[in-house]
Amino acid sequence: AQRVTQPEKLLSVFKGAPVELKCNYSYSGSPELFWYVQYSRQRLQLLLRHISRESIKGFTADLNKGETSFHLKKPFAQEEDSAMYYCALPQGSRLTFGEGTQLTVNP
Amino acid sequence: DAGVTQSPTHLIKTRGQQVTLRCSPKSGHDTVSWYQQALGQGPQFIFQYYEEEERQRGNFPDRFSGHQFPNYSSELNVNALLLGDSALYLCASSGGLAVSYEQYFGPGTRLTVT
Repeated sequence: AQRVTQPEKLLSVFKGAPVELKCNYSYSGSPELFWYVQYSRQRLQLLLRHISRESIKGFTADLNKGETSFHLKKPFAQEEDSAMYYCALPQGSRLTFGEGTQLTVNP
Repeated sequence: DAGVTQSPTHLIKTRGQQVTLRCSPKSGHDTVSWYQQALGQGPQFIFQYYEEEERQRGNFPDRFSGHQFPNYSSELNVNALLLGDSALYLCASSGGLAVSYEQYFGPGTRLTVT
């Protein structure tokens, strides 16, 4: 069965520091992976998908099939990046989510 | 476009009762998925509707049922409520079944079972 693991429930960094949110997956095949974000009092929304290979709000994520990981990275965190982040693995349009990481960026 | 809308916002029910939650998809979307999000957990897929039929189903009992109407709106019904059904219920809509279609989420309905 496919599974997504986010090992850190909470992550706290200072503004300007690099940040990495970890995501590991189990999937027998070539996966598509997403990162979703939920800012305070806002809806869950798509941040980025690996297939587009783009940087959104300074965030990037690289799929590492050898390590079955899809970690989300940003070189210089900003206070507005504070949010809940979910890694998600789709089967068609059905999404399997990790448990999420609450990122706090301190001033 | 208000995006995906859900009603009601909050709901309190007693164990054993039945509940119906409603979702209107984003304009132009024809596919609706429902997720349950327990406190401190990621959303869990319940089921998905397309062309008024259930297309995929997650690991949820038959007490959870749904419906999609010709205007693409959808309902989630839960019978014989248990305390463990207390959660945030999220509706998501997309333009089709393919993974390439982005899913847009609603604000959720917070269900409390006492």
